[in-house]
Amino acid sequence: DAGITQSPRHKVTETGTPVTLRCHQTENHRYMYWYRQDPGHGLRLIHYSYGVKDTDKGEVSDGYSVSRSKTEDFLLTLESATSSQTSVYFCAISAADRGHYNEQFFGPGTRLTVL
Amino acid sequence: RKEVEQDPGPFNVPEGATVAFNCTYSNSASQSFFWYRQDCRKEPKLLMSVYSSGNEDGRFTAQLNRASQYISLLIRDSKLSDSATYLCVVTPGWGGKLIFGQGTELSVKP
Repeated sequence: DAGITQSPRHKVTETGTPVTLRCHQTENHRYMYWYRQDPGHGLRLIHYSYGVKDTDKGEVSDGYSVSRSKTEDFLLTLESATSSQTSVYFCAISAADRGHYNEQFFGPGTRLTVL
Repeated sequence: RKEVEQDPGPFNVPEGATVAFNCTYSNSASQSFFWYRQDCRKEPKLLMSVYSSGNEDGRFTAQLNRASQYISLLIRDSKLSDSATYLCVVTPGWGGKLIFGQGTELSVKP
């Protein structure tokens, strides 16, 4: 299995509080991604990174920010959590820069509940 | 219209059955195609890539029809352990985003 961990694995928070989710990889892959998964919507891309300090928005980026100061860590921040951000969040990494077109490996996920 | 569409199922089949999943995509410029498998409350995992010539991995066969923008997955001799959600995934290009279908749920019964 690819070396990807996410923390925390479960979190319950209140509306309006800031929340940061962490994704850590030991594979030294260039690309990292944050997705959310909700019933009826499947997996949707929030933000992704193609290198240290290089990030871009996905299709559902409103209300989220990211940072990548080191190759191995990709942080997702909800500045002021809302109930609509209750979801399962998956981090993924890609070996796309090593000849494996777009194959992504996923972390175990973080279940976030915003009350 | 969603970029990647799948029949959500569920497909309920007996052990030993052959089951086929279909998927259509809207972006004709899409370059790479995959099937991922997701077990309940777990992360998605790559099942197989899909090539224009078709490819087979044991009991699993994937086909791509670029002209019709259609991808299929065939599972022969279904096992109980095949019960999962199967995600059709398309990418517009190199190193970029993956576009996921909603997934098709498969339940294999004894």
